[in-house]
Amino acid sequence: DSGVTQTPKHLITATGQRVTLRCSPRSGDLSVYWYQQSLDQGLQFLIQYYNGEERAKGNILERFSAQQFPDLHSELNLSSLELGDSALYFCASSVEMNTEAFFGQGTRLTVV
Amino acid sequence: AQSVTQLDSHVSVSEGTPVLLRCNYSSSYSPSLFWYVQHPNKGLQLLLKYTSAATLVKGINGFEAEFKKSETSFHLTKPSAHMSDAAEYFCVVSDGRFSGGYNKLIFGAGTRLAVHP
Repeated sequence: DSGVTQTPKHLITATGQRVTLRCSPRSGDLSVYWYQQSLDQGLQFLIQYYNGEERAKGNILERFSAQQFPDLHSELNLSSLELGDSALYFCASSVEMNTEAFFGQGTRLTVV
Repeated sequence: AQSVTQLDSHVSVSEGTPVLLRCNYSSSYSPSLFWYVQHPNKGLQLLLKYTSAATLVKGINGFEAEFKKSETSFHLTKPSAHMSDAAEYFCVVSDGRFSGGYNKLIFGAGTRLAVHP
């Protein structure tokens, strides 16, 4: 158990819908990352937050947004969902720069 | 810009034989390097990390990796493969700049390790 909690574990939704994925980092970790893993794209970095502020942005679509709350949990919002958004979404957390990140078990999103 | 290249997308070994998973990186700064393992339908687990201390890094489950700056490599090895080692392995480089918690992890494409009896 990495200490990073993601909910829900599985999510099935229809095209055009909006979903919210939630992540609770390890106790004491200030940094949260979101990654998308799909068969054709591999593991893609989406976005990083540090202590509530956005720090780095990767290949995140405009239909996607995220935030980190004062209690350090984070949410990833996916809207206007398309079939191609079906993937595993991972959250990870770390204490600081150049430190290892600990990953949650992921949320498997299926868009039908 | 930082990048990671895992030289083999698939590696197949027999149980009890050595494992070598190759990784080359590119970094403009002093990098931190990691290997993660992902078993089917599981999250990613940290195997080991290099953060500018000893160049030979020992990790969990008998894995180790050697940082070679001259070759910009960070290959993962294990003397004797076990069936339970079958998984996908990711080499990761971390941006070495300090910017108040900035820590972008760049993942390689992954190497799928198969272990045969």
